[in-house]
Amino acid sequence: KAGVTQTPRYLIKTRGQQVTLSCSPISGHRSVSWYQQTPGQGLQFLFEYFSETQRNKGNFPGRFSGRQFSNSRSEMNVSTLELGDSALYLCASSPRTDLNTEAFFGQGTRLTVV
Amino acid sequence: LAKTTQPISMDSYEGQEVNITCSHNNIATNDYITWYQQFPSQGPRFIIQGYKTKVTNEVASLFIPADRKSSTLSLPRVSLSDTAVYYCLGSSGTYKYIFGTGTRLKVLA
Repeated sequence: KAGVTQTPRYLIKTRGQQVTLSCSPISGHRSVSWYQQTPGQGLQFLFEYFSETQRNKGNFPGRFSGRQFSNSRSEMNVSTLELGDSALYLCASSPRTDLNTEAFFGQGTRLTVV
Repeated sequence: LAKTTQPISMDSYEGQEVNITCSHNNIATNDYITWYQQFPSQGPRFIIQGYKTKVTNEVASLFIPADRKSSTLSLPRVSLSDTAVYYCLGSSGTYKYIFGTGTRLKVLA
């Protein structure tokens, strides 16, 4: 069974640009969640999608958005990039949306904003 | 907003048992407590999950007291490959997936 796939693995963008990251969950998993990981703030929850609907959202500005498609694949978008957006962005999939379910993480997309 | 607290780092020697404690206030009544392990440049990996008392699997044990405001991950006989960051996962209900600060475990030969 293929794991969670995130593309691209690495990305360099300039301040003010926007970026789209992609996540393909494990087959059959309908919940996809996104996290930002930085050395200073650790792992922070961005949002979660289940069956194309955003179910939970973390405390991030509106520049961070996401969506989920009918095949459960998900994208997250960051507009007007800031230097502080440089981070490892992780995607996780699980079969259900509740916390009592193991989440499977991808290897992440490392975004560098210059 | 729920807050989880863990020791920032721990050192241990190969073959020893390691216990990492996480405190988590505001955990929802129906939510479980979950621990993840993360190696550098990789996403976190599920270790163990429990609701109360004690849970054991092939890699770890999880102890949760009756008030559920804390949990202790126990790693028996650690090896060098257990060097990683360990996170406990709590929930506040609104902000559903809250990772702790993580505990950086270093296993020494």
